[in-house]
Amino acid sequence: GAGVSQSPSNKVTEKGKDVELRCDPISGHTALYWYRQSLGQGLEFLIYFQGNSAPDKSGLPSDRFSAERTGGSVSTLTIQRTQQEDSAVYLCASSLEGTLNQPQHFGDGTRLSIL
Amino acid sequence: SQQGEEDPQALSIQEGENATMNCSYKTSINNLQWYRQNSGRGLVHLILIRSNEREKHSGRLRVTLDTSKKSSSLLITASRAADTASYFCATAQNTDKLIFGTGTRLQVFP
Repeated sequence: GAGVSQSPSNKVTEKGKDVELRCDPISGHTALYWYRQSLGQGLEFLIYFQGNSAPDKSGLPSDRFSAERTGGSVSTLTIQRTQQEDSAVYLCASSLEGTLNQPQHFGDGTRLSIL
Repeated sequence: SQQGEEDPQALSIQEGENATMNCSYKTSINNLQWYRQNSGRGLVHLILIRSNEREKHSGRLRVTLDTSKKSSSLLITASRAADTASYFCATAQNTDKLIFGTGTRLQVFP
């Protein structure tokens, strides 16, 4: 289908390693969002892209977290020097426009486990 | 920080019964959205209700919004086992990001 695609679906890594998570939004969607979901919890907003720019980075938990988007399409979320508290499901969503009245379309997430 | 709080946190019902979930929020909103999440999957958008609307229907779903009480409810009628999932409300304020609640876990027994 033509939904939001995230890779990898699962990632297990050792504490201190860097990880890179990828999101392919729906074609033509200009807005892209990253969220973090801890076990049994709601979604924590991380960062939002409109095109290639990130007007809102307020949710990034620390300077170990960064994200970029190129070509107005694919986005990568990078976590440097991972810690055990980074273990969570990282969800990506896209919407047609970054406006308030558009639903967001989610990928199935990357389940990140830090040993 | 969470804007929305869902109530109850968990709900178990029999197939055919109705399920009602409530969401309360703290600040003024532009719209409120409900999403469903099956275990191990991403969220699926169900319905969006704008701040000037009071009720909206979509199939077996009915959403109400009371901006004076800063609350919304999601009613699923004639529930099915396939409705088993977590349900989240999310509010849009004056920015382009959604603030999600903590979710209600619904279990429908056949």
